[in-house]
Amino acid sequence: DAKTTQPNSMESNEEEPVHLPCNHSTISGTDYIHWYRQLPSQGPEYVIHGLTSNVNNRMASLAIAEDRKSSTLILHRATLRDAAVYYCILRVQGGSEKLVFGKGTKLTVNP
Amino acid sequence: EAGVVQSPRYKIIEKKQPVAFWCNPISGHNTLYWYRQNLGQGPELLIRYENEEAVDDSQLPKDRFSAERLKGVDSTLKIQPAELGDSAVYLCASSLDLAGQETQYFGPGTRLLVL
Repeated sequence: DAKTTQPNSMESNEEEPVHLPCNHSTISGTDYIHWYRQLPSQGPEYVIHGLTSNVNNRMASLAIAEDRKSSTLILHRATLRDAAVYYCILRVQGGSEKLVFGKGTKLTVNP
Repeated sequence: EAGVVQSPRYKIIEKKQPVAFWCNPISGHNTLYWYRQNLGQGPELLIRYENEEAVDDSQLPKDRFSAERLKGVDSTLKIQPAELGDSAVYLCASSLDLAGQETQYFGPGTRLLVL
């Protein structure tokens, strides 16, 4: 499985946008980019995923670089409930179903 | 819709004792996963089931860990005997396998402390 690199931690202020970066320089053409997050004392939850084009849903937006070697998860207005560890994961089309988690980025949201 | 249910939520045992964790996946989900999460790390897959068949158990320490998913619904993960290094959060997840990029839904986990 191709690897991802994320900052260990980031801080944001409430109601401000947050941009969480992820580098995946060894990504292959069939790898999808997935983001999950894990709130304190909970299991991970799905946030968003994409292949080439930018994606939006009710939780966040995913911006994918043109060369696909990096991506950014965007929370448009951070709330205290967004404080979590955010994981960027690559999944192969038609490959193993397991999720390979790194250490993720711990996001702190300040009131 | 009910999510993935796990029990117990917390378990404290002494080393060398057996322990079992139970998971009930989301109704209709044919794929079930057990992950282990050590402190400060991301979850790591232990075993994956498609219906009642274990299709990936390469990371399961088979000398002390066992799992079953009778009838392809709920599942039990057992450790016997437990060691100090088994202290971790054990997460169960499920998905509906449609040969695409299916979302995995996680339960809250069972936090195990081995003394």
